[in-house]
Amino acid sequence: KAGVTQTPRYLIKTRGQQVTLSCSPISGHRSVSWYQQTPGQGLQFLFEYFSETQRNKGNFPGRFSGRQFSNSRSEMNVSTLELGDSALYLCASSLGGTSRQETQYFGPGTRLLVL
Amino acid sequence: SQKIEQNSEALNIQEGKTATLTCNYTNYSPAYLQWYRQDPGRGPVFLLLIRENEKEKRKERLKVTFDTTLKQSLFHITASQPADSATYLCALSPDNYGQNFVFGPGTRLSVLP
Repeated sequence: KAGVTQTPRYLIKTRGQQVTLSCSPISGHRSVSWYQQTPGQGLQFLFEYFSETQRNKGNFPGRFSGRQFSNSRSEMNVSTLELGDSALYLCASSLGGTSRQETQYFGPGTRLLVL
Repeated sequence: SQKIEQNSEALNIQEGKTATLTCNYTNYSPAYLQWYRQDPGRGPVFLLLIRENEKEKRKERLKVTFDTTLKQSLFHITASQPADSATYLCALSPDNYGQNFVFGPGTRLSVLP
């Protein structure tokens, strides 16, 4: 079974631009969560999508948004990029139940550098 | 305020010894706690989950304990090998719905040959 894939793997943008990252979950998984990882703040939850609906949201500004398609693929968008948005963006997929016993499978991440 | 901490940023041990990593949390009441391994440039990989009513969980050379009174989880790697060198993260869910997890800052383990 193919793992979680994320595209692109690396991205360089300038301040003020916007960016869209893509995540394809494991086949059959309906939940996709997005995380931001930085050396200073660690791994922080952005939001979770399930069945095309945002089910949970972390404490990030509205510049960070996402969506999920009917095939469970998900995209996240960051508008008006700031230098502090430079990070590794990870997505994780799971079956989609509400049980905490579900395993999350992470993708390799997209490394975003904002200049 | 809510906080999740891991005992040290980095831990060096000799090959063959047992590595013990600590995860402490404040103002959470998690029903489950998870441990992940992350290698440089890669996403975290799930290792173990332990429920609040379980004192201990084992998987091969890995052992996790969960003390809800102390608000602490210990993660042990016995007979450690250089291949165990990685960053280990603990994670808990702050509520009872969905797949949003709060992660600790991680402990970077180096197993020296």
